[in-house]
Amino acid sequence: AQTVTQSQPEMSVQEAETVTLSCTYDTSESDYYLFWYKQPPSRQMILVIRQEAYKQQNATENRFSVNFQKAAKSFSLKISDSQLGDAAMYFCAYSLQGAQKLVFGQGTRLTINP
Amino acid sequence: NAGVTQTPKFRVLKTGQSMTLLCAQDMNHEYMYWYRQDPGMGLRLIHYSVGEGTTAKGEVPDGYNVSRLKKQNFLLGLESAAPSQTSVYFCASSFGYRVEAFFGQGTRLTVV
Repeated sequence: AQTVTQSQPEMSVQEAETVTLSCTYDTSESDYYLFWYKQPPSRQMILVIRQEAYKQQNATENRFSVNFQKAAKSFSLKISDSQLGDAAMYFCAYSLQGAQKLVFGQGTRLTINP
Repeated sequence: NAGVTQTPKFRVLKTGQSMTLLCAQDMNHEYMYWYRQDPGMGLRLIHYSVGEGTTAKGEVPDGYNVSRLKKQNFLLGLESAAPSQTSVYFCASSFGYRVEAFFGQGTRLTVV
């Protein structure tokens, strides 16, 4: 079965600190893409960052970066200098060339403490 | 720029009733998806489509049907609603598996 697993249902961090959200996935395909999406209380899904599996370099977007470990099938999200607006549900997801579908993990609820 | 629009945004159904959720996108995307979101379960794929006239089953297709008669529209049908189908439903679309998907605002469905 092709799955995405987020083992941390909830995380909290102090404002301005750094937090890392974990994600592991399982696939036998070599061509795939990994994503982190953010869902604030408004319910709107927003892309945070994207990683191509064939690239060894970790993707970064301002305060957001990933630690992509292909052999370990791990794709964690690091948020630096956490801000109150970062409070949301975060979903890890992957899409596969063969299956042609986008599969999500269970989500991690991130709380930012002022 | 409408993006992905879902209709309706809220609905209450009685057990056994039927309904259709409409998803419309104006970005000329090939791929469209229907997900349901339940607490602790994340987003689970119900059905998806990789082009006009095509549909495929996702992880939780039972009790749902879909149609993609026009490229811009993806319909999700519930023939006989059950309380287990109480959920928030999201539609999404994309140009393909390599790029990000764009989501609608969701439909909160309650079956009583």
